[in-house]
Amino acid sequence: DAKTTQPNSMESNEEEPVHLPCNHSTISGTDYIHWYRQLPSQGPEYVIHGLTSNVNNRMASLAIAEDRKSSTLILHRATLRDAAVYYCILRDARYNNNDMRFGAGTRLTVKP
Amino acid sequence: GAGVSQTPSNKVTEKGKYVELRCDPISGHTALYWYRQSLGQGPEFLIYFQGTGAADDSGLPNDRFFAVRPEGSVSTLKIQRTERGDSAVYLCASSQRGGNEAFFGQGTRLTVV
Repeated sequence: DAKTTQPNSMESNEEEPVHLPCNHSTISGTDYIHWYRQLPSQGPEYVIHGLTSNVNNRMASLAIAEDRKSSTLILHRATLRDAAVYYCILRDARYNNNDMRFGAGTRLTVKP
Repeated sequence: GAGVSQTPSNKVTEKGKYVELRCDPISGHTALYWYRQSLGQGPEFLIYFQGTGAADDSGLPNDRFFAVRPEGSVSTLKIQRTERGDSAVYLCASSQRGGNEAFFGQGTRLTVV
């Protein structure tokens, strides 16, 4: 899997939008961009994924740069429950499942 | 159960002992992953199964670690001659064949004293 780079930590105020960046300058044309988050004392949970177009779901939005070398996970209104470590992962779309390799992620703190 | 189940939730063992950690994936999920996570770090990939076979075991740190999935469902991670450095949370995840979303269990916290 290609490497991703994320800031170690970010802070947000409650009910404000949060933009979590991820750089993946060596992404290949067949790599999907996946985001997971890990709440305290829990296993990671899937958030969203995309290939080229921006994606929205009930949890978040994913904005993908035109050159695909970076992406941004957007939480539209942060809540205290969104405090977690957020991981950006690349997965090769050529394979039916393949391993997922996590980096250190971004620790998001949400202030009331 | 509806989710990925890992047992035991906590395991304390003495240095040099053998331990087995169990993962019950979501029914019908063909892909199964094992990770270990140390405090303050992201999950470290260990091994990935597709069905009964290990598709990628390149993350296993040494030959003390071994995992099996004999019937393509339940998986057991086996650690021989445990060392204090093996202390971590061991996470299991499963997903459908071709599925994009992996579902994680709560993990097994292994402490080697």
